[in-house]
Amino acid sequence: GQQLNQSPQSMFIQEGEDVSMNCTSSSIFNTWLWYKQEPGEGPVLLIALYKAGELTSNGRLTAQFGITRKDSFLNISASIPSDVGIYFCAGQRTSGSRLTFGEGTQLTVNP
Amino acid sequence: DGGITQSPKYLFRKEGQNVTLSCEQNLNHDAMYWYRQDPGQGLRLIYYSQIVNDFQKGDIAEGYSVSREKKESFPLTVTSAQKNPTAFYLCVTQPGLNQPQHFGDGTRLSIL
Repeated sequence: GQQLNQSPQSMFIQEGEDVSMNCTSSSIFNTWLWYKQEPGEGPVLLIALYKAGELTSNGRLTAQFGITRKDSFLNISASIPSDVGIYFCAGQRTSGSRLTFGEGTQLTVNP
Repeated sequence: DGGITQSPKYLFRKEGQNVTLSCEQNLNHDAMYWYRQDPGQGLRLIYYSQIVNDFQKGDIAEGYSVSREKKESFPLTVTSAQKNPTAFYLCVTQPGLNQPQHFGDGTRLSIL
């Protein structure tokens, strides 16, 4: 099955820095989702995007649904140590269809 | 996520044994999915079910089986035919059209 191209694979940053990660695909998706996973737990939904061009915020997190519908990015502003985890993007082609996941971005925040 | 119960959290089995992972939900969600996660990799779809008594193979269904006799339950059996079963298994539900998926806390399976 197709995987989304998610980058970077890992990031090591200092507390207070901003973070940016993105996902790209050769196919169009109608929904983009961003999840965060902490060790030993299932991913938790952060932001859901349903329209091309949509820009949505959730606290310090901001995500955008690319105009071409083939990409999405997630920004985290003023990072803090509890932001540590693996961030996954996921795309969905039609309502109710299965998700396609990126390979994840491992974020490490140094205090 | 609340409402999705995967049990047990950790599971150990001997090689060659079948093992069944439980997933129960009280969210009244129609669709349920099983994903497998390996270290440093994304999530890969094993099986999914959109309605009761119906399910479809995902990308890596070989060596696995499922059933969907009740809306609330979607157990996954890892058979001895699965060559590399040690992994983190995630059960997921989806309420319906245009709704994001919700994840259980996962079961970590280790084959001894």
